[in-house]
Amino acid sequence: TQLLEQSPQFLSIQEGENLTVYCNSSSVFSSLQWYRQEPGEGPVLLVTVVTGGEVKKLKRLTFQFGDARKDSSLHITAAQPGDTGLYLCAGDNYGQNFVFGPGTRLSALP
Amino acid sequence: EAQVTQNPRYLITVTGKKLTVTCSQNMNHEYMSWYRQDPGLGLRQIYYSMNVEVTDKGDVPEGYKVSRKEKRNFPLILESPSPNQTSLYFCASSFGDRREQYFGPGTRLTVT
Repeated sequence: TQLLEQSPQFLSIQEGENLTVYCNSSSVFSSLQWYRQEPGEGPVLLVTVVTGGEVKKLKRLTFQFGDARKDSSLHITAAQPGDTGLYLCAGDNYGQNFVFGPGTRLSALP
Repeated sequence: EAQVTQNPRYLITVTGKKLTVTCSQNMNHEYMSWYRQDPGLGLRQIYYSMNVEVTDKGDVPEGYKVSRKEKRNFPLILESPSPNQTSLYFCASSFGDRREQYFGPGTRLTVT
């Protein structure tokens, strides 16, 4: 059974601080996706990383895919209250099923 | 507008009463999927479909059925719901190699 772990589970920070969220697995995935979910809504895709070692930037968010394609990280620079939400990573099992991590709940306080 | 729709959004039912949650997408996506979300567990895939008439079990298929007779629709059927199926359900669709998923707004189901 494939599993994705995320850490930390909860994160409360002040506006302007930097943070990193981790997504780890013992399984190899063909790609890894990051989503953000707000209360009462479905997850919304932030980014997909495909190549081992790949780094993608989305404004203040930086995503990295591990060389072995088993793990990923999300780094937020100078967090803002609008970054508050549940961050989910999802592994694509080579075009078959998807596996989601349990999520990191971020609270960025003004 | 490109979207995934689910109905109903909220449903309270009793144990054993068959129900169907509908899911429809207007993006001509080949891949569709059902998830359930429970506190602390993230999203767990129930069933997925890679195309019309092709469905496969996800991680938690017990107690659920699906069908994919048309490309746009992927209903989730609970033949005999039980209280442990109380959850928040999401339908999603995706396409292409990157399979970036578009999610519906969710259906909150309570089985008493």
